[in-house]
Amino acid sequence: KNEVEQSPQNLTAQEGEFITINCSYSVGISALHWLQQHPGGGIVSLFMLSSGKKKHGRLIATINIQEKHSSLHITASHPRDSAVYICAVRGSGGSNYKLTFGKGTLLTVNP
Amino acid sequence: DAMVIQNPRYQVTQFGKPVTLSCSQTLNHNVMYWYQQKSSQAPKLLFHYYDKDFNNEADTPDNFQSRRPNTSFCFLDIRSPGLGDAAMYLCATSKGAGSVSEQFFGPGTRLTVL
Repeated sequence: KNEVEQSPQNLTAQEGEFITINCSYSVGISALHWLQQHPGGGIVSLFMLSSGKKKHGRLIATINIQEKHSSLHITASHPRDSAVYICAVRGSGGSNYKLTFGKGTLLTVNP
Repeated sequence: DAMVIQNPRYQVTQFGKPVTLSCSQTLNHNVMYWYQQKSSQAPKLLFHYYDKDFNNEADTPDNFQSRRPNTSFCFLDIRSPGLGDAAMYLCATSKGAGSVSEQFFGPGTRLTVL
């Protein structure tokens, strides 16, 4: 079982829809990252969270430490949001430099 | 305003021919990381430098080496590339290695091995 599970694996939406991508993890963490990767491209860091909620433009990320769960929301989705969204957790203690990645969620937003 | 720069963006090499990938950063971050990402897979950490201290992951093949001559630059050397080494190579940096240190990624170098 992966330490970081994302759902769904694939998501297709119409422009303007509200999107939610979920991430669950099974290990103790010091921080959780949401990353974006366009096909064939590099990775862009969207958020780093250790508690609560963060908002940047149309993107909102939340984390519930007790439930070991995080969500990434996209409001008013747009075709340019089409990308792979990756949840990654940073371990606690001695291994807290390492990121453990989820398998990613491929989002396609149709016009 | 590029913060983590990788050169080249695309690299083609022949089987067994050594290749060097370059990463530079303008953030003055202490930590630099190299990841390998194969198609449709999550990135896999190869090694990282904390300042001049090199930290190799246990399962990183000996074929992969790294150099960090100064704070700004870090190189990934693949001594004898095999077909299985074709991948996207991602460089990342962070200010420290603690829980508050966000990682910033470069655009990646896509390596093709013929």
